[in-house]
Amino acid sequence: DTAVSQTPKYLVTQMGNDKSIKCEQNLGHDTMYWYKQDSKKFLKIMFSYNNKELIINETVPNRFSPKSPDKAHLNLHINSLELGDSAVYFCASSLEGTFYNSPLHFGNGTRLTVT
Amino acid sequence: QKEVEQDPGPLSVPEGAIVSLNCTYSNSAFQYFMWYRQYSRKGPELLMYTYSSGNKEDGRFTAQVDKSSKYISLFIRDSQPSDSATYLCAMSSNTGGFKTIFGAGTRLFVKA
Repeated sequence: DTAVSQTPKYLVTQMGNDKSIKCEQNLGHDTMYWYKQDSKKFLKIMFSYNNKELIINETVPNRFSPKSPDKAHLNLHINSLELGDSAVYFCASSLEGTFYNSPLHFGNGTRLTVT
Repeated sequence: QKEVEQDPGPLSVPEGAIVSLNCTYSNSAFQYFMWYRQYSRKGPELLMYTYSSGNKEDGRFTAQVDKSSKYISLFIRDSQPSDSATYLCAMSSNTGGFKTIFGAGTRLFVKA
């Protein structure tokens, strides 16, 4: 059973399009995250939801909009895609927000390529 | 200056070598220190974590934290080709809330 699953695995699209990435976790965790990993492997947090409430919203263009319908799901919608949005997007979850015996569990990523 | 600095490598070693991976950081509030391993086309997975200063050992892996120097290390003994991956250090604090900050990752190649 996959603990944190993301779909799609690969996404190739043209500039200006709108796309969504979906994430689901079956670990019973309260907190979910979106991280962006660029071509140099640098992993940067974008958003975090705790029990469906947005708690972290980093300096991300407002073309990116997360949505959490319930605490097991976190989706990411991206409007008007740009070349610079090309990256791997990772969903993660943790039992509690702060790290106290509560490491991040990552999905396998969605590789987004904007042409 | 980034909050967490990590040499991206790549680091290439022969099988059986001892590997040393390091990170430095600037935020003295960090209390929790982690190492994640990431294989190609996969998500990072937690390898080791420590709280505050000290050492922690798990099999061939040893994590060290020196808070006075703001320096953390991961040692891999008897390295194997299957250890070839990117290793990311990460840290967080109670005051940082829900945020875990990652280093850039070091690519490690272990040659058979």
